[in-house]
Amino acid sequence: DAMVIQNPRYQVTQFGKPVTLSCSQTLNHNVMYWYQQKSSQAPKLLFHYYDKDFNNEADTPDNFQSRRPNTSFCFLDIRSPGLGDAAMYLCATSDSGGAKTQYFGPGTRLLVL
Amino acid sequence: AQSVTQLGSHVSVSEGALVLLRCNYSSSVPPYLFWYVQYPNQGLQLLLKYTTGATLVKGINGFEAEFKKSETSFHLTKPSAHMSDAAEYFCAVRAETSYDKVIFGPGTSLSVIP
Repeated sequence: DAMVIQNPRYQVTQFGKPVTLSCSQTLNHNVMYWYQQKSSQAPKLLFHYYDKDFNNEADTPDNFQSRRPNTSFCFLDIRSPGLGDAAMYLCATSDSGGAKTQYFGPGTRLLVL
Repeated sequence: AQSVTQLGSHVSVSEGALVLLRCNYSSSVPPYLFWYVQYPNQGLQLLLKYTTGATLVKGINGFEAEFKKSETSFHLTKPSAHMSDAAEYFCAVRAETSYDKVIFGPGTSLSVIP
């Protein structure tokens, strides 16, 4: 089945230690998104790629970076995680255009010690 | 600024009762509207969406929603709740500034009481 895969499902890191979360897709969608979701809140868009074009949200901290080496893979790098970065990180994909459904991965839950 | 509001952060219904989750939006362009469901420790899954045409939209798992332009609403309903419907529900509207993005509402947590 075509899908969005996120690894790992759970990630524990130390305060200030860089961490990378990964996302892959078999849907061949040209748009990929990274969301941060804290408990009992809506997903908050960090950035998205339209093909290789990177689109950062204005309020995304510089601590968050992303890479998309090819259509299938996208990475979220947190350079110096703080306690406030503990959250669920969701990757999603879609075709371009306003009516297109976003397909979400299962998420990676990040714990910062 | 564009927004989505969902009245009631928590809704409880009895098993077999009507489910009604409310959503109001703002948009200066013709809206595309979505309802997503999120089960614990999972990603979001599309329930249904409205783009153009018929204002009553049917989705998966027996859910439906009606687009009412005059009320700027897109409420989600299901005639009879099942225990498996317990989840977080998010309403979303296409962003005016970028058609590849959506604006999510704050979510409504649905509990189903046996």
